[in-house]
Amino acid sequence: RKEVEQDPGPFNVPEGATVAFNCTYSNSASQSFFWYRQDCRKEPKLLMSVYSSGNEDGRFTAQLNRASQYISLLIRDSKLSDSATYLCVVWASKIIFGSGTRLSIRP
Amino acid sequence: GAVVSQHPSRVICKSGTSVKIECRSLDFQATTMFWYRQFPKQSLMLMATSNEGSKATYEQGVEKDKFLINHASLTLSTLTVTSAHPEDSSFYICSARGIGLSDTQYFGPGTRLTVL
Repeated sequence: RKEVEQDPGPFNVPEGATVAFNCTYSNSASQSFFWYRQDCRKEPKLLMSVYSSGNEDGRFTAQLNRASQYISLLIRDSKLSDSATYLCVVWASKIIFGSGTRLSIRP
Repeated sequence: GAVVSQHPSRVICKSGTSVKIECRSLDFQATTMFWYRQFPKQSLMLMATSNEGSKATYEQGVEKDKFLINHASLTLSTLTVTSAHPEDSSFYICSARGIGLSDTQYFGPGTRLTVL
C-alpha cells in the first residue's frame, strides 16, 4: 500500500462546479498535512495547510479526518485557472507526496 | 511568502559530464533542504534530505556517489549530478524548510536537465 494515495483523475468539470478530492495516508503518526498545486512543468506551490479543525481559504476548504486517515480538498465555484494537478502532502518523519490528482475545468 | 531560487533553470549537457544545480533560500535561513526528482507525468520523488553542516540523507535507491549534495550554509545547497546519462534527464526541484516556518516547504522553480 502506498504511504499516500490519491485518485489520479483526471477530473473534468464545468466552470462553476464544486469538486472534491480525497487523499488517504497510511502512517497514523503523520503530523502535518498540506495541499499543493502544481501546474504543468512548474514547481509545486503551497495551496493550504490542513488543520485538524478544518480550514477554509476563499473557495478552498480542507479537512482532516485522523480516525479514517484521510484529508480532503473542496473547491467551490471552480475557475478555469483552477486547472492543475493537486498534490496531497503528508509529513511524519519525512515529507511524502501523493501522486497528484489532475483537475481540468472546462468553459 | 518565503522564496527559494534555483539555478540554472534549464541545462542541456552531454553524456558523461557533471552538472551542478544550486538551491538558495533568499529571505530565510533553511536548516533543511530537500532534493526531488520528477519524471514526466509522475509525482515528486524525494532523493535526499540535506541538513546544513552535515551529510545528506539519501532515499533508498538513490546513489550518493552519483548525486552529490552539499549544504554549505543556511541559505545554499547544491546538487551535483556526476557522469550524467540520458536516464538522468528529469526535472529536479529543491525545497527548503526554514527556522520557525513550521513544516511548510517552499519550493524552488526547478531545473530541467536534459542529457544527450
